[in-house]
Amino acid sequence: AQSVTQLGSHVSVSEGALVLLRCNYSSSVPPYLFWYVQYPNQGLQLLLKYTSAATLVKGINGFEAEFKKSETSFHLTKPSAHMSDAAEYFCAVSQETSGSRLTFGEGTQLTVNP
Amino acid sequence: DSGVTQTPKHLITATGQRVTLRCSPRSGDLSVYWYQQSLDQGLQFLIQYYNGEERAKGNILERFSAQQFPDLHSELNLSSLELGDSALYFCASSRLTSGGEQFFGPGTRLTVL
Repeated sequence: AQSVTQLGSHVSVSEGALVLLRCNYSSSVPPYLFWYVQYPNQGLQLLLKYTSAATLVKGINGFEAEFKKSETSFHLTKPSAHMSDAAEYFCAVSQETSGSRLTFGEGTQLTVNP
Repeated sequence: DSGVTQTPKHLITATGQRVTLRCSPRSGDLSVYWYQQSLDQGLQFLIQYYNGEERAKGNILERFSAQQFPDLHSELNLSSLELGDSALYFCASSRLTSGGEQFFGPGTRLTVL
């Protein structure tokens, strides 16, 4: 079985501040991990993915995430927040034994204050 | 633009009715997935098709069914609609059957009155 927990349904940062969105996963086999972003009234856009290559993954728009097996975590960070980063962020996991279905976390709404 | 298209964008219907949602995957993608996004359930996987065949099933109600056609487009059929079926329905596609990223369409917002 696989599951994802996102700590904090709402995160608020100031423009220029560090963004840290937390994701912990549970998987019985090596997982594939993803971060998606959803802007209002739009579909999900892939930010980055981990598929067992480098543990530090760089994505689009300056985001990156680090896979830590010992902590079963895949936190998303960005050094300096922009107003345009305000959106909902979803962490997702899939694994070989369950095909490629994505199991999503509950999402974190990011607010960026001027 | 992900390259995945979904129609219609919005759908308003009454309880007990039947609707069909349509999805065209990215060019070259053989896998199509359907997800439901609602306030109380979050994002949930419904069903996956690969090259015309059902590959995996998730939390899909018996009132719901899907198929993938030879041209690889897919349809999700929802029948005997209930108020609780109101949600955003997303289609996604990918090249791989496992481990690959999925590209999401803009979704169909279904409102059941």
